[in-house]
Amino acid sequence: KAGVTQTPRYLIKTRGQQVTLSCSPISGHRSVSWYQQTPGQGLQFLFEYFSETQRNKGNFPGRFSGRQFSNSRSEMNVSTLELGDSALYLCASSLETANYGYTFGSGTRLTVV
Amino acid sequence: QKEVEQDPGPLSVPEGAIVSLNCTYSNSAFQYFMWYRQYSRKGPELLMYTYSSGNKEDGRFTAQVDKSSKYISLFIRDSQPSDSATYLCAMSENRDDKIIFGKGTRLHILP
Repeated sequence: KAGVTQTPRYLIKTRGQQVTLSCSPISGHRSVSWYQQTPGQGLQFLFEYFSETQRNKGNFPGRFSGRQFSNSRSEMNVSTLELGDSALYLCASSLETANYGYTFGSGTRLTVV
Repeated sequence: QKEVEQDPGPLSVPEGAIVSLNCTYSNSAFQYFMWYRQYSRKGPELLMYTYSSGNKEDGRFTAQVDKSSKYISLFIRDSQPSDSATYLCAMSENRDDKIIFGKGTRLHILP
């Protein structure tokens, strides 16, 4: 059974650019959540999508957005990149609700220069 | 005060010792409690999941939740070098709610 797949694994972008990250959940999983992980702040919740609808949202600025497609695949977009956006972005999927436990992908390492 | 507090460590213990990892939280509405393990360059993986107060055991791992003290613990018996990782506690209010993570404790098991 394939796990959660995130692409790309590594990314280097310049300040002011925008970036799109992709996540393919485990087959049959309908909930996809996104987290930002940094050494200083740890794992911070960005948003969750369930059946193509945003169900929960964290406290990030509007530059961070996401969407989910009918096949449950999800993308997140960060516009007008700042140096502080450098982080590991993790996607996690679950069957119906996050509270049966997520399965995380290995993440996308974004570096903003 | 952050919602979930966790000592970052690092915590170094000899192989075979019992490890105790802890988190405190401020939100009394949390009902679902989880422990995740994260190896370097990998995403976190779910270790233990408990609902409300009490204990849960799975092999060498025991999770405890004390809602009256807003305190959760993870015990690892007969610790192995392969247990060396970062351990994150996580919790949420409701089944459909977002999950809030602690910052994680780095654990080193010394052979």
